[in-house]
Amino acid sequence: GEDVEQSLFLSVREGDSSVINCTYTDSSSTYLYWYKQEPGAGLQLLTYIFSNMDMKQDQRLTVLLNKKDKHLSLRIADTQTGDSAIYFCAETSTSGTYKYIFGTGTRLKVLA
Amino acid sequence: DTGVSQDPRHKITKRGQNVTFRCDPISEHNRLYWYRQTLGQGPEFLTYFQNEAQLEKSRLLSDRFSAERPKGSFSTLEIQRTEQGDSAMYLCASSSVPDSPPNYGYTFGSGTRLTVV
Repeated sequence: GEDVEQSLFLSVREGDSSVINCTYTDSSSTYLYWYKQEPGAGLQLLTYIFSNMDMKQDQRLTVLLNKKDKHLSLRIADTQTGDSAIYFCAETSTSGTYKYIFGTGTRLKVLA
Repeated sequence: DTGVSQDPRHKITKRGQNVTFRCDPISEHNRLYWYRQTLGQGPEFLTYFQNEAQLEKSRLLSDRFSAERPKGSFSTLEIQRTEQGDSAMYLCASSSVPDSPPNYGYTFGSGTRLTVV
């Protein structure tokens, strides 16, 4: 079945890089996504990657995809206190509804 | 258009009561989704509408849950005889067909937080 897993917590110092990891099981996923959720707020799309890519860079964000191992990572360079949030990886279903399958979320805490 | 609106933002109810939430999608979006997010978990898909037709329901949507989208505009999610296990954030999202990937134009609302006491 479909399952997306993430580590629960990550703590980094301001200015360091953060790496958030995700594993997924649906090998037919076409797009994989990273969402950010701040307290009391909805989900904000950060970036995405198409399954035929292995890397995508978008300003401070770098997404790496290892399709063989079904492993996705998000690297945030020069992490700031404003980056403290919960980060979700997600894949879309292949059923045509385009519903998301979300991971459990990684809580990133940035220490000043 | 200010995005996807959900009302109320918070709801506290006693066990056994019925509650109804509303979602107003982005006006030109014809797809509408409901998700549930419990503490410490990612959002889980509940149901999906294309226009007024409810095309998919998750097994999470028990008989106590009903969703409607009359006229293909706003949607309501009703929970009857609430239980403590229903306490969660209920998120609504909308998108437009035929938006192409990467995110199918998905926009999430800020959610309704339900607490059943």
